[in-house]
Amino acid sequence: AQKVTQAQTEISVVEKEDVTLDCVYETRDTTYYLFWYKQPPSGELVFLIRRNSFDEQNEISGRYSWNFQKSTSSFNFTITASQVGDSAVYFCALSDDYGGSQGNLIFGKGTKLSVKP
Amino acid sequence: DAGVTQSPTHLIKTRGQQVTLRCSPKSGHDTVSWYQQALGQGPQFIFQYYEEEERQRGNFPDRFSGHQFPNYSSELNVNALLLGDSALYLCASGRAGTNEKLFFGSGTQLSVL
Repeated sequence: AQKVTQAQTEISVVEKEDVTLDCVYETRDTTYYLFWYKQPPSGELVFLIRRNSFDEQNEISGRYSWNFQKSTSSFNFTITASQVGDSAVYFCALSDDYGGSQGNLIFGKGTKLSVKP
Repeated sequence: DAGVTQSPTHLIKTRGQQVTLRCSPKSGHDTVSWYQQALGQGPQFIFQYYEEEERQRGNFPDRFSGHQFPNYSSELNVNALLLGDSALYLCASGRAGTNEKLFFGSGTQLSVL
């Protein structure tokens, strides 16, 4: 069975600190896709990144970076120089369908990030 | 270009009642998926509709049913409401056969009293 674990329930940092959100996944599939979403208080899930199981290259997008390690089944997310606007709940998700066009995403329980000024 | 729209935004029902939630997908999208997000939890997949048929279903009882219309919009129906059905219900749309990412709506907050 597929499973996503986000062990950190809540994290609080001060603005400009770096913060890493952990994600560990379980799957028997050899082809799978991993995602990170941001959920602000408005409730809408905002897509951040999608990676497939064959691409272990780390990715950087501005202040965001992702570390994918198949050996440890982890897909961690780092925010550099955090800002108050980064405060939200962040979800890691797993799918066996690229892009999730089938819509069946398995989500972790989320990590609530609070960035204080 | 409007994104995914859901209605109503909030809803209060009592146990045993029935409820219908609505979702309009993003323009150009033809798949609609529904998720239930209980307080403090991640979203859980309910089912997905494409070409007016249920294509995949998560671990939800038959009290949860849906429909997709020719214009790709969708409804989620829940019968015999239980207190445990209180949650944020999210709709996501996509484009079948592509690797385009899903777009989520802001959800309907359902409270069952």
